[in-house]
Formats: sequence, C-alpha cells, structure tokens
Amino acid sequence: SQTIHQWPATLVQPVGSPLSLECTVEGTSNPNLYWYRQAAGRGLQLLFYSVGIGQISSEVPQNLSASRPQDRQFILSSKKLLLSDSGFYLCAWSMTSGNTIYFGEGSWLTVV
Amino acid sequence: AQKVTQAQTEISVVEKEDVTLDCVYETRDTTYYLFWYKQPPSGELVFLIRRNSFDEQNEISGRYSWNFQKSTSSFNFTITASQVVDSAVYFCALINTDKLIFGTGTRLQVFP
Repeated sequence: SQTIHQWPATLVQPVGSPLSLECTVEGTSNPNLYWYRQAAGRGLQLLFYSVGIGQISSEVPQNLSASRPQDRQFILSSKKLLLSDSGFYLCAWSMTSGNTIYFGEGSWLTVV
Repeated sequence: AQKVTQAQTEISVVEKEDVTLDCVYETRDTTYYLFWYKQPPSGELVFLIRRNSFDEQNEISGRYSWNFQKSTSSFNFTITASQVVDSAVYFCALINTDKLIFGTGTRLQVFP
C-alpha cells in the first residue's frame, strides 16, 4: 500500500532563517505531488504541484520554492522566512490527474 | 473559474442529532470530481469520498451519506446520529485538471 510521510512535524524558526520541509511517498511510482498551506483558521491554499521529476508548477508567488529531486520526493524551501509564512503545511500525492489526493500528517511552522 | 463554497462556517449540534454540511461548486468542465475530507484536531486531512460528475447516485457509508445534485451544483454531506468523534473541520473540494480546489471548510462541533 502507498504511504506518505513528511517532516519535521513541528518547526519554530526565526524570521529570515531558511526552511526545508521534506515529503516522501512510498509504494507507488510517478505520483503527482502537492504542497498545500493552511493559515490559522483558514482554508487550504495550493502552493506547488508536480507531475514529474523536475516539473514544478507554482500557484502563488511568494518567497517559497519547491523541488522534486527524485520521483517520490518533494521538498518545500525558503531562503528567508517571513512571519506570514507561519501555518500548517501539507504534502499530498495522487496517482494521476483526477484521482483521489491523499495527504501527509502535516508540518506546523511557526515563524517568530 | 472553478470555485467551491461552504457557506456554513461553524455548526454545533448535540450528540445523536443529524447534521448536513452544504457544498456548492462552480466549474465549466463537463468532467470533474468532487471530494469531502475531514480534518480532526490533529490536523491531518482524511479522505472521505470521491465522486465523479457522471455519477449522481447518492452514497451511504455507515452514518455518512452524500447527496450529489448537478442541477443545483451541490454535493452535500449528512452525518446521521452524530457523535463527539465527528467533531472536526470538513472540507469539500473540486478537482480542476491536476489541482484540488478546496472550500473554506465547515467546523462541526458535536457536544455530548
């Protein structure tokens, strides 16, 4: 069966520091991968999605970036965090377009 | 443009009451997929149901049931005999090509 893991689960970072959140999917190949963010008390916002290695689509211009160095690995990064980057970040995957999207456990980021 | 509207921000019920969560969507696509997810306090998004646009049959799974009506662009979710463990934020979502577009969610509180 397929599983998705992301880490770290909780992160407290000072403003201006870098960020790296990692996500790995197991039990499948060539999945679509996604990064979503949920700000406190708000809905989910799609940040990035990828349909293959090296193929990244950005939905919202901001100081975050994403990379897919391997088929089942998706990384969310920032060179300098802002206070507004605080939130709950969720990695997700699906087999192909239109299929069910499954989410990881999420990562709580607090920028102080 | 694709859009999902969950007009109910928060609903409170007493255990054993039935409760319906509303979802209205907008899309120009003739083929699309609708979803419901549950987000308990732990934060992880739990997949509940996926429905394609050609299948308007209502579905029942235990205490959960879904009413899909293309004529009114609605995909409502009913919990029968609610329980405290049903307390969570529930999201309705629509697939647009590769991307999942979420509603803003409905927070359900079930009191004993």
